[in-house]
Amino acid sequence: AQSVTQPDIHITVSEGASLELRCNYSYGATPYLFWYVQSPGQGLQLLLKYFSGDTLVQGIKGFEAEFKRSQSSFNLRKPSVHWSDAAEYFCAVGAYNTDKLIFGTGTRLQVFP
Amino acid sequence: EPEVTQTPSHQVTQMGQEVILRCVPISNHLYFYWYRQILGQKVEFLVSFYNNEISEKSEIFDDQFSVERPDGSNFTLKIRSTKLEDSAMYFCASTGIMNTEAFFGQGTRLTVV
Repeated sequence: AQSVTQPDIHITVSEGASLELRCNYSYGATPYLFWYVQSPGQGLQLLLKYFSGDTLVQGIKGFEAEFKRSQSSFNLRKPSVHWSDAAEYFCAVGAYNTDKLIFGTGTRLQVFP
Repeated sequence: EPEVTQTPSHQVTQMGQEVILRCVPISNHLYFYWYRQILGQKVEFLVSFYNNEISEKSEIFDDQFSVERPDGSNFTLKIRSTKLEDSAMYFCASTGIMNTEAFFGQGTRLTVV
């Protein structure tokens, strides 16, 4: 069965520091991979997605993610975090033969000045 | 930019009452979804809807739940007899013809008392 693991429940970084949020998935074939962000009181906003091709994908707000098949990972990165990046980040996996997305449990990012 | 809108943003209901959560998907989208997020837990798929019928549903989506697209613009989720454990944030989402990127609404927070 498909599953998504986000090992870090809560991460705290200083503004300007680099960031990496981890995501591991379990799926038999090549998955479709997504990162969503949820700011307090807001809905889910798509940061980036991977379907095929270049394994390094660029997203909005300066985020990028790298698909590593050998590690079943799709980690989200940002070189320099801004205070406005504080939010909950969700990794999700989809597949060609299903409509649904399977979400991870999320990582709450806190940014200190 | 087109967006998915959900109403109300917050609804409080008594246990056993019926509730209807409303969503207006993006106008040219064809696939519609409901997800829920119990406080502190991950976002879970409930149901997908395409061509005026349910295309996929989760184990959560039992006989107490139903969905409808009554007028070609709205997409509703009905819970027939609410239980305390139905308290959650409910997200509506829609995707276009390529069914690749889900756009989520802001969510409706349902509180069952």
